[in-house]
Amino acid sequence: GAVVSQHPSRVICKSGTSVKIECRSLDFQATTMFWYRQFPKQSLMLMATSNEGSKATYEQGVEKDKFLINHASLTLSTLTVTSAHPEDSSFYICSARDPRDRDLGEQYFGPGTRLTVT
Amino acid sequence: EDQVTQSPEALRLQEGESSSLNCSYTVSGLRGLFWYRQDPGKGPEFLFTLYSAGEEKEKERLKATLTKKESFLHITAPKPEDSATYLCAVLDTNAGKSTFGDGTTLTVKP
Repeated sequence: GAVVSQHPSRVICKSGTSVKIECRSLDFQATTMFWYRQFPKQSLMLMATSNEGSKATYEQGVEKDKFLINHASLTLSTLTVTSAHPEDSSFYICSARDPRDRDLGEQYFGPGTRLTVT
Repeated sequence: EDQVTQSPEALRLQEGESSSLNCSYTVSGLRGLFWYRQDPGKGPEFLFTLYSAGEEKEKERLKATLTKKESFLHITAPKPEDSATYLCAVLDTNAGKSTFGDGTTLTVKP
């Protein structure tokens, strides 16, 4: 199956600083990547859809100026949490669809990034 | 609006005790229904895709089935290592993104 990596796996930052999370498709080119946020014991919350070479599409209620998404290449998307605050602490997960799959339905997820803002 | 409802929210089984997880869905047109497994602190792992009613997929102790309104994930003779949260998602023919259910957390006791 397709492999998606994320870096870093864990990050602790101080309130007011910015943090960048990288999402890479390792063995395929991903024209579309997704960014999710997950709180403890809750399901995935889609934040935005990232399209290579164009602006990301943000879900309702997600601040696009706070959560900056860049999809500069077919294998890399980044999520930057700007001016982070403790309430931004969460588990962030990216995913991608493999264009070789039938109907482009299933998603391959990265291992996630645990962000803690102190 | 697409909707996915998973039940039960949590399921505790003894090792070897078979059971089923349910995923009820509402979509205007089904492009695909997906099952994922998520272990604590990790990203979801893709398990199955089902495309049409009557379709079945199997992998080790897991079997997924699909009707026009719901999908079941049957777990036969589960082992403790099957403990995880199982997520169901649907992709509408008119949508670019999948809709996920809240998941069923399965605990298998030895």
